[in-house]
Amino acid sequence: KAGVTQTPRYLIKTRGQQVTLSCSPISGHRSVSWYQQTPGQGLQFLFEYFSETQRNKGNFPGRFSGRQFSNSRSEMNVSTLELGDSALYLCASSPTGRANEKLFFGSGTQLSVL
Amino acid sequence: DAKTTQPNSMESNEEEPVHLPCNHSTISGTDYIHWYRQLPSQGPEYVIHGLTSNVNNRMASLAIAEDRKSSTLILHRATLRDAAVYYCILRDNSFGNEKLTFGTGTRLTIIP
Repeated sequence: KAGVTQTPRYLIKTRGQQVTLSCSPISGHRSVSWYQQTPGQGLQFLFEYFSETQRNKGNFPGRFSGRQFSNSRSEMNVSTLELGDSALYLCASSPTGRANEKLFFGSGTQLSVL
Repeated sequence: DAKTTQPNSMESNEEEPVHLPCNHSTISGTDYIHWYRQLPSQGPEYVIHGLTSNVNNRMASLAIAEDRKSSTLILHRATLRDAAVYYCILRDNSFGNEKLTFGTGTRLTIIP
């Protein structure tokens, strides 16, 4: 079974631009969640999608958004990039997103904002 | 929201057991305790999880205190491949809203 796939692996953008990151979950998994990882703040929950609906959201500004498609693939968008958005963005999938399920993480997209 | 506290770093000798602690004194009754580990340039990898009872799997054991305010991840025989950052995470979505609290992580160094 293929794991969680995130593309691209690396991205370099400049301030003010926008970026779209992609996440393909494990086949059969309907819950996809996104996280931001920085050296200073550690791992922080961004949002979770289930059956094309955003079900949960962390404490991030509205510049961070996402969506999920009918095949459960998910995209995350960051508009008007700031230097502080430089981070490793991780997605994880699980069958239904219940708290007693394992999360399967992708390798992440390393975003650098110049 | 519940918080978790972990030591920043720990060292252990190869082939010896390792006990990684996590404090979560404000844990709620519906919080699951998860442990993940992360190698450089990789996403976190699931290790183990539990609610109230101790748990064992092929990778590790999870010992949960009776009052659930702390837990310990036990690696029975550390190998060099166990060197990673270990995260203790609380998950609760019993009321529909996901509460996901990450610890700061413990960097485990294995000494050959």
